[in-house]
Amino acid sequence: EIVMTQSPATLSVSPGERATLSCRASQSAGSNLAWYQQKPGQAPRVLIYGASTRATGVPARFSGSGSGTEFTLTISSLQSEDFAVYYCQQYNNWPSLTFGGGTKVEIK
Amino acid sequence: EAQLVESGGGLVQPGRSLRLSCVASGFTFDESAFHWVRQGPGKGLEWVSGITWNSGHIGYADSVKGRFTISRDNAKNSLYLQMNSLRVEDTALYYCVKDRRYCSGGDCHSFSPLYFDSWGRGTLVTVSS
Repeated sequence: EIVMTQSPATLSVSPGERATLSCRASQSAGSNLAWYQQKPGQAPRVLIYGASTRATGVPARFSGSGSGTEFTLTISSLQSEDFAVYYCQQYNNWPSLTFGGGTKVEIK
Repeated sequence: EAQLVESGGGLVQPGRSLRLSCVASGFTFDESAFHWVRQGPGKGLEWVSGITWNSGHIGYADSVKGRFTISRDNAKNSLYLQMNSLRVEDTALYYCVKDRRYCSGGDCHSFSPLYFDSWGRGTLVTVSS
C-alpha cells in the first residue's frame, strides 16, 4: 500500500496570501496523483489530476506540481471560498487506492 | 451532468449486515468504473472498493476485504456494496464515486483507474450496539 502523508495538517492563511500544501508518497505514484477540495457538509470535488492538470472549471489560482513521491498544491491568492480541507490521492497502485490525511486551510 | 444517489444507510448493530445502493444517471453507466469511498465522523477519506464496467476488475481495501462485496447491475444503472460482519469502525458516510476512466469500444480487459470525477452526497452508516 502506498501511504500518502500530507503536511501541514492545518494551514492558517490570510485572504490574498499564497498557500502551499504538501503531499508525500511512501513509494512512487508516478504522476497519478489527484487533489480534492472538500467544504463542510459537501462531497469532495476534484481540483487537480495527473499531478498538474486542472479539472474543468477550476480557477487558475490552483496549481499542482511534482511527480514520484513529492507533490505540491499551490493556491496563489486565497479567496474566501478556498477555505476548506484538501486531500491528495494516488491512483497509481490498483487495487490499492489511497488518500492523504488532509490539510485544513483556515482563515488566519 | 452525472448524478449519483446513494441509499441504504442506517443504524446497525456490530456483526450485522447492510446493503448500500447507488443509482446513477446523466452518463453511460455500463462504460464506467465506480468506487465506494467512506469518511468517518470528523475524519479523512478512505477508499473502500472499486469495480470496472463489466465487473472484470474488483478491488478492496484491506480493512474491508472478506467482509464487503461490491457489485453492479448495468441494466438498473446501479452500484451496490454488501457489508457483512460490520464493526464499530465501519461507521462512516459512504460515497458512491465515478472513476474518470471509462470503456468505450476497443480493448477493455485491463484497468488502470483515474481520478474520481463525480461524487454522490453519501449515505450514513452507523454501527453501534
